[in-house]
Amino acid sequence: GQSLEQPSEVTAVEGAIVQINCTYQTSGFYGLSWYQQHDGGAPTFLSYNALDGLEETGRFSSFLSRSDSYGYLLLQELQMKDSASYFCAVPSGGSYIPTFGRGTSLIVHP
Amino acid sequence: GAVVSQHPSWVICKSGTSVKIECRSLDFQATTMFWYRQFPKQSLMLMATSNEGSKATYEQGVEKDKFLINHASLTLSTLTVTSAHPEDSSFYICSATGLPPAETQYFGPGTRLLVL
Repeated sequence: GQSLEQPSEVTAVEGAIVQINCTYQTSGFYGLSWYQQHDGGAPTFLSYNALDGLEETGRFSSFLSRSDSYGYLLLQELQMKDSASYFCAVPSGGSYIPTFGRGTSLIVHP
Repeated sequence: GAVVSQHPSWVICKSGTSVKIECRSLDFQATTMFWYRQFPKQSLMLMATSNEGSKATYEQGVEKDKFLINHASLTLSTLTVTSAHPEDSSFYICSATGLPPAETQYFGPGTRLLVL
């Protein structure tokens, strides 16, 4: 089976940096994905890490350590619009059937 | 690229009626489509995985006779909630894979179903 653990809620102020951690257990590992979901909307893809290390895309970066079964999403220069739920996910199987974490609610304060 | 549409975005129906939700990949051919439901403040729950031209694979606990999935082409999958009841009220979201990286899911905007 597969399982992912991530914090339920994180709060931060505008302009700050926040890190959302994700640990996973999976029988077959292809990579770790991150998705953002605003209230009332559908998830949108943020990043995907198949190899160890840091991937940077603008203000968002994602890190993976396969030996530790651990990854994180780093959000810099936080903006109010970054308030959303963030899900980590691992795909498995021939159809890359995904398992999602429970999601982390990020609340950005002015 | 990677646009997935869903129709309708909102449905309100009476108990006992059937509701069909369409999911389309607009600018790519979807290798696989997935159907999820999501309750408020909860994570996405995978209902089924669908490949074009073959029967959908349902997750444990999901009634295949109640949630009918048809994947008619590489760009269209439909979910029909048959004889809907109030407990079926939820946010239904489809996603598709087919663009690199292969594991990336592109989500539709979701369909809110309210059964009265």
